[in-house]
Amino acid sequence: ETGVTQTPRHLVMGMTNKKSLKCEQHLGHNAMYWYKQSAKKPLELMFVYSLEERVENNSVPSRFSPECPNSSHLFLHLHTLQPEDSALYLCASSYSGTAVYGYTFGSGTRLTVV
Amino acid sequence: DAKTTQPPSMDCAEGRAANLPCNHSTISGNEYVYWYRQIHSQGPQYIIHGLKNNETNEMASLIITEDRKSSTLILPHATLRDTAVYYCIVRYRNYNTDKLIFGTGTRLQVFP
Repeated sequence: ETGVTQTPRHLVMGMTNKKSLKCEQHLGHNAMYWYKQSAKKPLELMFVYSLEERVENNSVPSRFSPECPNSSHLFLHLHTLQPEDSALYLCASSYSGTAVYGYTFGSGTRLTVV
Repeated sequence: DAKTTQPPSMDCAEGRAANLPCNHSTISGNEYVYWYRQIHSQGPQYIIHGLKNNETNEMASLIITEDRKSSTLILPHATLRDTAVYYCIVRYRNYNTDKLIFGTGTRLQVFP
């Protein structure tokens, strides 16, 4: 365990379903991130939250909706996804504002859209 | 964002040192170099980071050139468990955002 917990580990959903991915950290970090990793591609940064405020949205389609209710929890709400959205979704956390510490990643949620 | 360039793949014999190079010629003065690795389908794992000086921890050593335009990650005694994709990243920061932008990395294969 890294200190960043993602649930569920695996998710299969239909294109008309609504589901949510959850990320939780108790490391005292103040920034959280969602990354997407498609097959044989680099990690793509999707969203950045700093002090519970979204500070970056990298042109992600509106069918992905993030939520950060507090500094320990991050959600990614999914609706009407496409098969090309199948990927490994990774959550990370860090201390924003200092480069001294690295990011801590969760183990990811493997999403399959059918 | 400062970009990094890494060879796509490398091989290393078990027990030998693995030296993974990285070019980051556009790095700014206050940007750190980070190394992460990702074992198949797991989340990336932090290895080491540095600014100017060489760094060493229980996992690896990081050698940064004096002009900071390149660096080398050294795994002193590679094992089969070190087979992974290794990412060299320049951590990008401005006044309200902080992010790690991953490239394609180097796929290191350690063989018996």
